[in-house]
Amino acid sequence: ETGVTQTPRHLVMGMTNKKSLKCEQHLGHNAMYWYKQSAKKPLELMFVYSLEERVENNSVPSRFSPECPNSSHLFLHLHTLQPEDSALYLCASSQKLAGQETQYFGPGTRLLVL
Amino acid sequence: RKEVEQDPGPFNVPEGATVAFNCTYSNSASQSFFWYRQDCRKEPKLLMSVYSSGNEDGRFTAQLNRASQYISLLIRDSKLSDSATYLCVVNRGAGYSTLTFGKGTMLLVSP
Repeated sequence: ETGVTQTPRHLVMGMTNKKSLKCEQHLGHNAMYWYKQSAKKPLELMFVYSLEERVENNSVPSRFSPECPNSSHLFLHLHTLQPEDSALYLCASSQKLAGQETQYFGPGTRLLVL
Repeated sequence: RKEVEQDPGPFNVPEGATVAFNCTYSNSASQSFFWYRQDCRKEPKLLMSVYSSGNEDGRFTAQLNRASQYISLLIRDSKLSDSATYLCVVNRGAGYSTLTFGKGTMLLVSP
């Protein structure tokens, strides 16, 4: 049983819609991440939050807006998306330690933009 | 050169076979290394960390060669349940964990 949950698991939205993806971790970790996984591409890191502060933003378009209200919750707000944004969006968490900390992934939200 | 490059696959092997996956990484400052496993339509899960001295976990053996920037994973006595995509993952810095993933190599074990 994963300690990282994501909702919704599946989402279909039009290009003019606004929706939010939610991630919650029950592991007591202090870092959280959003990744995008498209078909036939490696996982791409989108955002990193460490101690609720955004520490990395990998040139992600502004139509993706993350929010981290506390160390257990992470949101990804979506607006005016494009069809090429259709992908699996994965949330992960880890305990911030120097060295070999492991990231634990949630089950993902499979997003289809029409 | 891609940051993390893996065998393209897929690998089709019979049960009981030994299979080896190769991976190279471009950033010589990379700090730590992992193999993750991803089942079809599921999230990635850590299979094992990779240490400089090499490490073994049951049927799985991981090796790291820092000089060649090369990582490998050996699976002995393959089981049907080993069918999955194997992701080579590199942590490029100290501090918070910033992982770079390879595209993955799919393994299909058949009866």
